[in-house]
Amino acid sequence: AQSVTQPDIHITVSEGASLELRCNYSYGATPYLFWYVQSPGQGLQLLLKYFSGDTLVQGIKGFEAEFKRSQSSFNLRKPSVHWSDAAEYFCAVVDSFSGGYNKLIFGAGTRLAVHP
Amino acid sequence: KAGVTQTPRYLIKTRGQQVTLSCSPISGHRSVSWYQQTPGQGLQFLFEYFSETQRNKGNFPGRFSGRQFSNSRSEMNVSTLELGDSALYLCASSPGQGSSTDTQYFGPGTRLTVL
Repeated sequence: AQSVTQPDIHITVSEGASLELRCNYSYGATPYLFWYVQSPGQGLQLLLKYFSGDTLVQGIKGFEAEFKRSQSSFNLRKPSVHWSDAAEYFCAVVDSFSGGYNKLIFGAGTRLAVHP
Repeated sequence: KAGVTQTPRYLIKTRGQQVTLSCSPISGHRSVSWYQQTPGQGLQFLFEYFSETQRNKGNFPGRFSGRQFSNSRSEMNVSTLELGDSALYLCASSPGQGSSTDTQYFGPGTRLTVL
């Protein structure tokens, strides 16, 4: 079965510092990958997605992610973090074995705290 | 375009009762998926509906059911509530073309508390 691993449960960074959130997936073929962000008490907002093509994907709010097949990774990055980026971040992959494209498998999430 | 809307936003029920949650997708979207989010299990897929038919199902007991109407609005129902059903229930909509580029957009969720 496919799976997604986010190794870091909590990360704390200072405002203005760079950020990298890790995501590893298990799937033999090219996966369809997403990053979502969730603020407290809210739903999930799509940050960016990777389906094919250029391995560096740009998203909203200044985020980007790089797909690395050799490392089975899809890490999320931001060059300078703002206090408003404090939230929980989820990496997800389409469950291609399910026969449809609307079943997502999520990682456990990484909670980001930002120090002023 | 308006986003995905879910009602109610908060709900308190007691064990043994049943509950119905509602989801209105983004205009033009035909697929609606439901997810359960709990601190222990994280985000788990419940089921997906497309054109009033269940197209995909996760590993949840039969107490969890859903349906979709001709206007693509969807409801999910949980019968005989258990304490463990306390969770944030998220609805997501997508165009539902069945292509690899389908992207799901999530609503704000319904917070269900079972006492």
